[in-house]
Order: sequence, then structure tokens, then C-alpha cells
Amino acid sequence: KNQVEQSPQSLIILEGKNCTLQCNYTVSPFSNLRWYKQDTGRGPVSLTIMTFSENTKSNGRYTATLDADTKQSSLHITASQLSDSASYICVVSDRGSTLGRLYFGRGTQLTVWP
Amino acid sequence: EADIYQTPRYLVIGTGKKITLECSQTMGHDKMYWYQQDPGMELHLIHYSYGVNSTEKGDLSSESTVSRIRTEHFPLTLESARPSHTSQYLCATSVEEERAAYEQYFGPGTRLTVT
Repeated sequence: KNQVEQSPQSLIILEGKNCTLQCNYTVSPFSNLRWYKQDTGRGPVSLTIMTFSENTKSNGRYTATLDADTKQSSLHITASQLSDSASYICVVSDRGSTLGRLYFGRGTQLTVWP
Repeated sequence: EADIYQTPRYLVIGTGKKITLECSQTMGHDKMYWYQQDPGMELHLIHYSYGVNSTEKGDLSSESTVSRIRTEHFPLTLESARPSHTSQYLCATSVEEERAAYEQYFGPGTRLTVT
């Protein structure tokens, strides 16, 4: 069964600290993996997209890694800010075109305290 | 953030009422999607469209219907709302790109509560 599992379910950190969110997937075949940020009451916003051949991608203070062999990805947030408080969703696609299906994780709820 | 608009943003309605959730986009994207999301849960695809006059059911069974008469609009209709329809509904668009990973853009969502 194709699944995307994220951990931890929730996380609280202090402003300025770093954190790492995890994503394990069993989706096969694999085309690409995305990380989205979803603020409360808003739609998800894309942070990174990685294909099979990419093992790391950065977007400002966000750095995503991908190990396609172990089917694991991580999202590392550096020097956290209060605005980083949100749900971070891992999404895996089984095909490169829009015909492909997207498999969504339940997200990690990150709270950054001052 | 892409130009995707959803109205209303919040809706509280009684059981049995007919409702239409609006989604519009100004980017000319052919592909449009409707997702349903409950708190702390993953997004579930309920409808999608590849273009005008194209509509397909998604992975999650839904009592809603959609139409795609114009590229810009992809409204979702519930003929008779029930408390089980209480959820957040997210509209999204995408465009086919040459590279393997296409971008998907989400609207702000409609929070529906059926009493």
C-alpha cells in the first residue's frame, strides 16, 4: 500500500533553534517528493520539489534531503522564526506528469515559541 | 503564491441546504483539483479536471459534483449538505511542465461547517 508517514506529529521549538522533520514513504514507482508549508486556515505552499536524481535542495532556511534508496526525506529548518509555525506536509508523486497521483502525509505541526 | 481565489472563505449552513463553493484562477492553468482536508489529516483528492468540459472523480468518494465550463472556474456543489460534509475544501491548479516535477498551486481554502 502506497503511504507517506511523517514524524514527529507535532514539535515545539524555541525561536532561533534548528529542527528536522522526517518523511518515510512506500510509494512505488517514485517520481518526485515535495515539501509544503501550510499556515493555519490557508492552502499549502510549495517549499521544495525533488526528483529521483536530486538528494538535496534548499529554499532559504529550508533544506530538504532525499534518500531514494531508503525512501526517506527530511526537512531541516535553520534558525527558526515565529513565522515558521505551521504544518509541514510531505507529498510523494508516483509519476512525473499530472496524470500521476499525489500521496499526502498528515503533516508535522511545528510551533515556534519566542 | 499563485492567483487562486476561493469563496466563501468560511461558511456555516444548515443541513439539507444546497451550496456551491467557488474556485477561480487567473493563470490559465488547464488542470484544476478539489481536495478535502480534516484537521490533522492528509489531503484527499475528491475531484479534478484536465480542462474545459473535463471532470473526474478523485480518490475519496464524495457526494459533491463539479463543472468546468470555463478554464478559469471550477465550482464544487453539494446538493444537500450534511454534518459529515463539515471540512476544509482546497482548490488547486497545475500546468504541465517539461520537467518531471510539475508545480501544484493551492487556494486559501473554504472552511465549511454544516449544522
